[in-house]
Amino acid sequence: NAGVTQTPKFQVLKTGQSMTLQCAQDMNHNSMYWYRQDPGMGLRLIYYSASEGTTDKGEVPNGYNVSRLNKREFSLRLESAAPSQTSVYFCASSLEIQGYEQFFGPGTRLTVL
Amino acid sequence: DAKTTQPPSMDCAEGRAANLPCNHSTISGNEYVYWYRQIHSQGPQYIIHGLKNNETNEMASLIITEDRKSSTLILPHATLRDTAVYYCIVRIRDNYGQNFVFGPGTRLSVLP
Repeated sequence: NAGVTQTPKFQVLKTGQSMTLQCAQDMNHNSMYWYRQDPGMGLRLIYYSASEGTTDKGEVPNGYNVSRLNKREFSLRLESAAPSQTSVYFCASSLEIQGYEQFFGPGTRLTVL
Repeated sequence: DAKTTQPPSMDCAEGRAANLPCNHSTISGNEYVYWYRQIHSQGPQYIIHGLKNNETNEMASLIITEDRKSSTLILPHATLRDTAVYYCIVRIRDNYGQNFVFGPGTRLSVLP
């Protein structure tokens, strides 16, 4: 099992460009999450999906959209990238939303110039 | 929402026990305490969680005080590979689900 995979690993964008970060899990988990981590700080939740077909805002959703494509895949889209969105993005999944431990992917390092 | 307070950094000698404290004085009765760690540039890794009783697994032990206002994560024999940022998280319950909030954590340095 690969666990949680993310693509790409690195990305550089110019201000105003758009892109989609991909995440997939092969653990048959129902819940998936997107976090961002800025230098020297903890993780902040952007969006989560409790189950296939549902998505909800987390702590810092502005400037992002998400799609729960199917049970395996949860994508994060930046429609018009801004320098403030320079960060490392982590995708995670858990068996259920109700407090089960979360398993994290390796992260995508995004720089917006 | 229950918040946590952890020291920003700690050192531990290799082979000794590492004891990482966490204060969560506003924790409510149905909230669990979770511990994760993040080794440099990697995704966070689940370590252990508990509600009231002390818990132990192959990685660590979790000691929760009787009043549940604080807890301690114990790595019994720290190795250099345990150098990481350790996050103490209290699970927040909302109307829809339960989110994990990661604070700045404790940076543990295991020294040779």
